[in-house]
Amino acid sequence: ETVLTQSPGTLSLSPGERASLSCRASQSVTSRLSWYQQKPGQAPRLLIYDASNRATGIPARFSGSGSGTDFTLTISALEPEDFAVYYCQQFSIWPLTFGGGTKVEIK
Amino acid sequence: QVQLVQSGAEVKKPGSSVKVSCKASGLTFSNSDFGWVRQAPRQGLEWLGGIIPFLGRANYAQRFQGRVTITADESTSTVYMELSSLTSEDTAVYYCARGRLGVGVENLVDFDLWGQGTLVTVSS
Repeated sequence: ETVLTQSPGTLSLSPGERASLSCRASQSVTSRLSWYQQKPGQAPRLLIYDASNRATGIPARFSGSGSGTDFTLTISALEPEDFAVYYCQQFSIWPLTFGGGTKVEIK
Repeated sequence: QVQLVQSGAEVKKPGSSVKVSCKASGLTFSNSDFGWVRQAPRQGLEWLGGIIPFLGRANYAQRFQGRVTITADESTSTVYMELSSLTSEDTAVYYCARGRLGVGVENLVDFDLWGQGTLVTVSS
């Protein structure tokens, strides 16, 4: 199966700082990669689909880039509500798989 | 209102089975693609399988083959996930989710709508 490796495991930043999260696939998934945000006790929420498209209602400070095997989620300036765990997911190669997650915590 | 509402928390004995339901409302049920994803305590997300109701055929992740059964009832717009031969490693929150693309080949979709999750605890 396609392994998605997310790095770093934890990112310690202050509000207003820029966050860059990486997701690397063990084989090409073209652009069929999405990003989710999950807060404690909540279900994941779709942020970015097809590598670079914001889902409905997602603020412009969230952006995605990449294709093939290397992808990045960028949060341009962290708001207090952005501190959460972020997962990538590929839906190009069966079975669909998720990355292990990156926790963005307050420094 | 578009939503997925799951059944309540369950406590099960090792070796038993659990069946979780997911009722959809406000969406086109039959030609949606529904997946089940679980999350063990303090762990990441893991896909168990998916179903497209109008096809009536489910796909399962290999590691759950033979232990998981996903079904859909079009008359009630409800999807079910049954997991058998439970062990403590199956303790997790189980989510149903709807595929963003409608129908995905072999259930290859991402998910734009999630249920609230159902905690399944396996303990003797």
